[in-house]
Amino acid sequence: SQQGEEDPQALSIQEGENATMNCSYKTSINNLQWYRQNSGRGLVHLILIRSNEREKHSGRLRVTLDTSKKSSSLLITASRAADTASYFCATDAQQAGTALIFGKGTTLSVSS
Amino acid sequence: DVKVTQSSRYLVKRTGEKVFLECVQDMDHENMFWYRQDPGLGLRLIYFSYDVKMKEKGDIPEGYSVSREKKERFSLILESASTNQTSMYLCATKAGVHGYTFGSGTRLTVV
Repeated sequence: SQQGEEDPQALSIQEGENATMNCSYKTSINNLQWYRQNSGRGLVHLILIRSNEREKHSGRLRVTLDTSKKSSSLLITASRAADTASYFCATDAQQAGTALIFGKGTTLSVSS
Repeated sequence: DVKVTQSSRYLVKRTGEKVFLECVQDMDHENMFWYRQDPGLGLRLIYFSYDVKMKEKGDIPEGYSVSREKKERFSLILESASTNQTSMYLCATKAGVHGYTFGSGTRLTVV
């Protein structure tokens, strides 16, 4: 079951621009997480936002969460070529003994 | 930092072979997971385990089994490999309420 759905599927921007990716999900969550994947590699955890939080920052990353709309956004400011990667949102359900459910991801391409 | 090691980066196996994908973590994490990743489908959960000898089916367990005899090792087994199991396999571990730590992945090709 796919819980998170990212939008857009692909995004191409220039260095220095901001990149915004959106994620929608279906059921109640305990937290929502964003991950990054460089081509052909494993995923790297970027940031976690709890269901009672509305916004969180980490360096050039800003994540928002709207539980009433069941949506989240990831903003990367002042993008660099090194930010080129796929980005996934993942939801952690409220019940114990469950696993993260990932969306299909947004592929970000940053050109210099 | 937690390290999650998957034994092979690339693997080519023949149809019908029994395939073992190994995953080892260097911390005392209870929760371990196996996902497969396919273009356009994202990550899909195959199996996970929250303790030694415990296992739970994920969304797509058919054709797979798992083994967790020791806390640090979680093995994914393809009983009889088929071409539709050609995929990227990702192992992950989790501690507490933090995010997952993933291995580098095993790209399996079944011919």
